[in-house]
Amino acid sequence: SAVISQKPSRDICQRGTSLTIQCQVDSQVTMMFWYRQQPGQSLTLIATANQGSEATYESGFVIDKFPISRPNLTFSTLTVSNMSPEDSSIYLCSVEDSGNTIYFGEGSWLTVV
Amino acid sequence: GESVGLHLPTLSVQEGDNSIINCAYSNSASDYFIWYKQESGKGPQFIIDIRSNMDKRQGQRVTVLLNKTVKHLSLQIAATQPGDSAVYFCAENPPSGGSNYKLTFGKGTLLTVNP
Repeated sequence: SAVISQKPSRDICQRGTSLTIQCQVDSQVTMMFWYRQQPGQSLTLIATANQGSEATYESGFVIDKFPISRPNLTFSTLTVSNMSPEDSSIYLCSVEDSGNTIYFGEGSWLTVV
Repeated sequence: GESVGLHLPTLSVQEGDNSIINCAYSNSASDYFIWYKQESGKGPQFIIDIRSNMDKRQGQRVTVLLNKTVKHLSLQIAATQPGDSAVYFCAENPPSGGSNYKLTFGKGTLLTVNP
């Protein structure tokens, strides 16, 4: 299975600011994804991070709010822009390994005050 | 206002008992299903998966059953231990041209194991 590291693991952010979350995988993977998990809720796919091209966003999520980078096959970033308290969530990086199984990182726990 | 997402289905069992966690999925065309375990403060951990051409798959202490007729998935945990206490999510994947990425997650079930 892939080992996924996320930074920061936790942060408290001021409203109106932006924060970039990093995701590093220990092996090259084709597919990397970003999910959001709001407090007490299930996971929702934000976007697919495509290497070498623009991310593919799901309904309800836009690039201006959640810009994503994918410079290579082991790394991606998600930025949460102009944060409000409603953005307080766990942001999870996930990857699809060579066996087509989806694994998740430990998440980045953001609180916006 | 409405309270959103604060009340998970819960299952409380005694240590050593078997646990069964149920999930109703939404898309009859989904061809791949996964169970994840999420402990407090951690990310989801892969437990077991099953494809739609199977109706049962066993792992270590866990069994997943798939009933496509009624769109139902279950996770059975044998000899439940306190370390099994967590929220369990089922996830389904509708057909998407070969990649398994577009998972839709269920609401989760909180399993509490009493010593």
